[in-house]
Amino acid sequence: SQQGEEDPQALSIQEGENATMNCSYKTSINNLQWYRQNSGRGLVHLILIRSNEREKHSGRLRVTLDTSKKSSSLLITASRAADTASYFCAISSGGYNKLIFGAGTRLAVHP
Amino acid sequence: EAGVAQSPRYKIIEKRQSVAFWCNPISGHATLYWYQQILGQGPKLLIQFQNNGVVDDSQLPKDRFSAERLKGVDSTLKIQPAKLEDSAVYLCASRGQGNTIYFGEGSWLTVV
Repeated sequence: SQQGEEDPQALSIQEGENATMNCSYKTSINNLQWYRQNSGRGLVHLILIRSNEREKHSGRLRVTLDTSKKSSSLLITASRAADTASYFCAISSGGYNKLIFGAGTRLAVHP
Repeated sequence: EAGVAQSPRYKIIEKRQSVAFWCNPISGHATLYWYQQILGQGPKLLIQFQNNGVVDDSQLPKDRFSAERLKGVDSTLKIQPAKLEDSAVYLCASRGQGNTIYFGEGSWLTVV
């Protein structure tokens, strides 16, 4: 079974609003990564947060990690129609950095 | 820097036929992953190679799926015989010394 579980499964917002997606996991991690996937395309790496980090920023993206709760969140600020995509969290664990994905959140940003 | 290359991009086969997918990772990347992504779901790890050795194949249906990476560079994933439920996108990814994993565009398989 997959270790990352995203919430919500789908999110629909207006341009300019913020979008927040959550990820929960069950095991100890090396790091947690967020990916974006446009329809019919491959996965694009967005941001990586290590297990000893609590928050990370990249442009309009903000990721938090709470290892005590085994959860992470991805915040996209001032969303744009081009942000419409599926977003996945992925857990890296073990000595070989096995990467396991969750089921994803489908984000729709309406103009 | 060239990305992860996969071929073919699209394949339609009948059930019980065989199919093979090829992946060329980013030059110098020791770790190679194959994922299966069924429509509407997240990618599921099938197999992970470190150079030419398998480090995880716990989710690979070994009665019909096989994968190899003979020289520690290119990799091939084969399905024989295919079932209807194998219809999915097969994603190849690679990782170098850092933590970032790079994905190819995927090979779309439809089994009819």
